[in-house]
Amino acid sequence: QVQLVQSAAELKKPGASVIVSCKAAGYSFTDYYIHWVRQAPGQGPEWMAWINPKTGASNLAQKYRGRVTLSRDTSTSTASLGLYSLTSDDTAVYYCAKEGPGPVAGFLFADWGQGTLVTVSS
Amino acid sequence: IQMTQSPSSLSASVGDGVILTCRASQDIRNAVGWYQKKPGKAPKVLIYAASHLQSGVPSRFSGSGYDRDFTLTISSLQPEDFGTYYCLQDHSYPYTFGQGTELEMK
Repeated sequence: QVQLVQSAAELKKPGASVIVSCKAAGYSFTDYYIHWVRQAPGQGPEWMAWINPKTGASNLAQKYRGRVTLSRDTSTSTASLGLYSLTSDDTAVYYCAKEGPGPVAGFLFADWGQGTLVTVSS
Repeated sequence: IQMTQSPSSLSASVGDGVILTCRASQDIRNAVGWYQKKPGKAPKVLIYAASHLQSGVPSRFSGSGYDRDFTLTISSLQPEDFGTYYCLQDHSYPYTFGQGTELEMK
């Protein structure tokens, strides 16, 4: 079955950087986009970006451009999110999510990683 | 695109039927999904493209709506249905979630 296994929780100081990884198994990694979604404490989820594992093309929400990088390694079926110049506002659980498919055509986040808590604190 | 959910919280009993709503700030056709979230767990998709039931999701969940107004209906609440529900629009970037409806046991 599909599995997305994320890296362990991180504690970072303001101004630092973090990389969160997402290792895929149980399907062809290059067939489906991987998205990144974060959820800060007490808030709803927030979509951040996607990466096409086949080509490496990506799309980031405007607010993250210049501060987030996406990458993938097809040899290990791993997608990674890099977030730089961290502030306390970046404290959140970060999820990777794989696009569909569903029973019929349409967009959905069909499978999710278990989440990675990133805490930014001095 | 802003997604506004109502109510923000709801108390109900096992066996009750409930309707959760989500309103988009502009027309988005049928580009809405519904996700269930429980503490410490990743979100789980229930409905996508406004009305399509994801595989493995019980048929007591159903979705409807088009353009601005969308609903998620749970026909007969089960104990495992309590949690927070979010709508998500995938019509335009950035994709956006609603602020959630917390469904609590009465």
